[in-house]
Amino acid sequence: DIVMTQSPDSLAVSLGERATINCKSSQNILYNSDNNNYLAWYQQKPGQPPKLLFYWASTRESGVPDRFSGSGSGTDFTLTISSLQAEDVAVYYCQQYYSTPRTFGQGTKLEIK
Amino acid sequence: QITLKESGPTLVKPTQTLTLTCTFSGFSLSSSGVGVGWIRQPPGKALEWLALIYWDDDKRYSPSLKSRLTITKDTSKNQVVLTMTNMDPVDTAAYYCAHLEYLLGHFDYWGQGTLVTVSS
Repeated sequence: DIVMTQSPDSLAVSLGERATINCKSSQNILYNSDNNNYLAWYQQKPGQPPKLLFYWASTRESGVPDRFSGSGSGTDFTLTISSLQAEDVAVYYCQQYYSTPRTFGQGTKLEIK
Repeated sequence: QITLKESGPTLVKPTQTLTLTCTFSGFSLSSSGVGVGWIRQPPGKALEWLALIYWDDDKRYSPSLKSRLTITKDTSKNQVVLTMTNMDPVDTAAYYCAHLEYLLGHFDYWGQGTLVTVSS
C-alpha cells in the first residue's frame, strides 16, 4: 500500500495569513505516461462529507476559491491557502489514486489562531 | 446533477453482516468510464478507502478488508451495494459512497454518509 503522511496534524493560523499543509507519499505517484500526479485534496467540515478541492495535485475543482492552491510532484505535495478565511476551518485530506488501495492521509485540522 | 445517498442499518451486532446501499442519480453505472466507491470514517478519525466498482463490473477492494467485503451494482435501480461480514465494534464508522470517473480517479461527488454503530 502507498502510505500518505500529512504534516502537520493540526495547524492554527490567523485570519488573512497563509496556511500550508504538506502531504508525502511513500512512493512516486507521478505516472510517467501522462505526466500526471495521481493526488487529490479534500476539505471536510464538521458533520459534512469531504469536498473535492484539487485533483492531479494542482487542478482546482470548479467553484473552489483561488486562494486555495495545490502543488508538488512525485512524492511531495502541498496545499496552500493564501489568505485564511473563517470558512476554511476544516480537516484537509490528501489521497493518492495511483494504485489500489487508494489511500488517504491522516488529515490535517486547520483552525483559527 | 449528481447525487448519492447511503442507506442501511444504524446499528448492527458483532459478527453480523452489514449491507449498505448507495442510491444515486444524475449518472448511470452502465455508462462507460463511471464508477462508485465506498469510504468509511470512524468517529473523529481519518478516511479509509474500502472498495469501488466500475461500469464494466471491474471491482477493487482494500486488501486489508478484501475477505470481508463484496461490492455489487444494480444498474436498473441505480444502486451499488456493499456488504461487510463479521462486523466488529472497530467497524463503527460513517460510511460514504462517492462517484468517480475511471480516467480521472478522484471522488468528485459524495453522499452525506450513514453512521453505523457495531454494538451488542
